[in-house]
Amino acid sequence: DIQMTQSPASLSASLGETVTIECLASEDIYSNLAWYQQKPGKSPQLLIYDASSLQDGVPSRFSGSESGTQYSLEINSLQSEDAATYFCQQHHDYPYTFGAGTKLELK
Amino acid sequence: EVQLQQSGAELVRPGTSVKLSCKVSGDTITAYYMHFVKQRPGQGLEWIGRIDPEDDSTKYAEKFKNKATLTADTSSNTAYLKLSSLTSEDTATYFCTLMYTTDYFDYWGQGVMVTVSS
Repeated sequence: DIQMTQSPASLSASLGETVTIECLASEDIYSNLAWYQQKPGKSPQLLIYDASSLQDGVPSRFSGSESGTQYSLEINSLQSEDAATYFCQQHHDYPYTFGAGTKLELK
Repeated sequence: EVQLQQSGAELVRPGTSVKLSCKVSGDTITAYYMHFVKQRPGQGLEWIGRIDPEDDSTKYAEKFKNKATLTADTSSNTAYLKLSSLTSEDTATYFCTLMYTTDYFDYWGQGVMVTVSS
């Protein structure tokens, strides 16, 4: 199975700041990566797909990038509604696997 | 627009089975693979498997092969996840999800909480 190592497990940031969340794939996944946002008691919501494509309706302050097997999610100009847990997911091969998640808290 | 409506919360005894449903509206279920994902309380997401309602073919993650069974009823546009030999490890929220406009999970059910307790 492809392992997705996500970091950090949690972070705290202030409104207006920029944060970066990373996922390292255990092998090449050829940009087949998504980022999801999940709020308590809710279903995950797709933010980014194909490593860097913004899902319809998602604010442009969210962006994705990659470098080799390292994938990053950047959130600019943090808003209060960005407090959530974020997960990466590889779509390259079965079984689809997720990172362990990053809990983002706003100060 | 497609919508996924899951059945209600379940409280079940250890050793028994439970069958969860996921009804699709707004489109025909045969157009997409239906996937199911598990999330234990406060934990991450695990992909269980998927079914192609067109031909009932399935694919499972290895750890769920003896735990989960996916089926679909095209007449009611509904997919099902049956979990057997339930233990406390199966206490979790289970989501159905599909790839509608992208090759990723862009539509999700609301999730159903299964609690295994005597």
